[in-house]
Amino acid sequence: DAGITQSPRYKITETGRQVTLMCHQTWSHSYMFWYRQDLGHGLRLIYYSAAADITDKGEVPDGYVVSRSKTENFPLTLESATRSQTSVYFCASSLAGAYNEQFFGPGTRLTVL
Amino acid sequence: KNQVEQSPQSLIILEGKNCTLQCNYTVSPFSNLRWYKQDTGRGPVSLTIMTFSENTKSNGRYTATLDADTKQSSLHITASQLSDSASYICVVSPFSGSARQLTFGSGTQLTVLP
Repeated sequence: DAGITQSPRYKITETGRQVTLMCHQTWSHSYMFWYRQDLGHGLRLIYYSAAADITDKGEVPDGYVVSRSKTENFPLTLESATRSQTSVYFCASSLAGAYNEQFFGPGTRLTVL
Repeated sequence: KNQVEQSPQSLIILEGKNCTLQCNYTVSPFSNLRWYKQDTGRGPVSLTIMTFSENTKSNGRYTATLDADTKQSSLHITASQLSDSASYICVVSPFSGSARQLTFGSGTQLTVLP
């Protein structure tokens, strides 16, 4: 029972490069979320998805792109990475929307040089 | 703008002692309030959930309280253990159910010393 996994766990890249962070869940949860966590800001929602092919912006979507062609996968792409995108990124899933418990992945620590 | 403020930002206690973490929120109306525990290097895990009509909810040594009138919640940890060292995050869900309006606090970093 893998639950929710993220890859890679650590990534170092350079400014201007494209980076894709992967998220996979085995529960068939409808909702999936991407957050970034920075010191002093807590968790901030980047994008979320209510179902396959349905995505919506969160609080801080600029510079990020998401897709969800399959229920179990929700990749996050930084099209042209910037130093301000250095952060820890968490993927989460839940049965439904804001009412339900979210199950978080282990996180990806991204450093943009 | 909806806000969730947690205090203190950090707390150091000795093993075996009790402690209380605070969460004040402005989200209104709200559906439920959760406390998550986040161990270093890991994702948050839900500890308790309280709806607007509940006052107290326990989960082992963790007891959450909610005062919807004053928009305050607290998480009380009894007989702390070294494994309680973590960040504790308060999250408020809006009545609308909108995922975009979920509001997270910045967390309280708890360190339990032997």
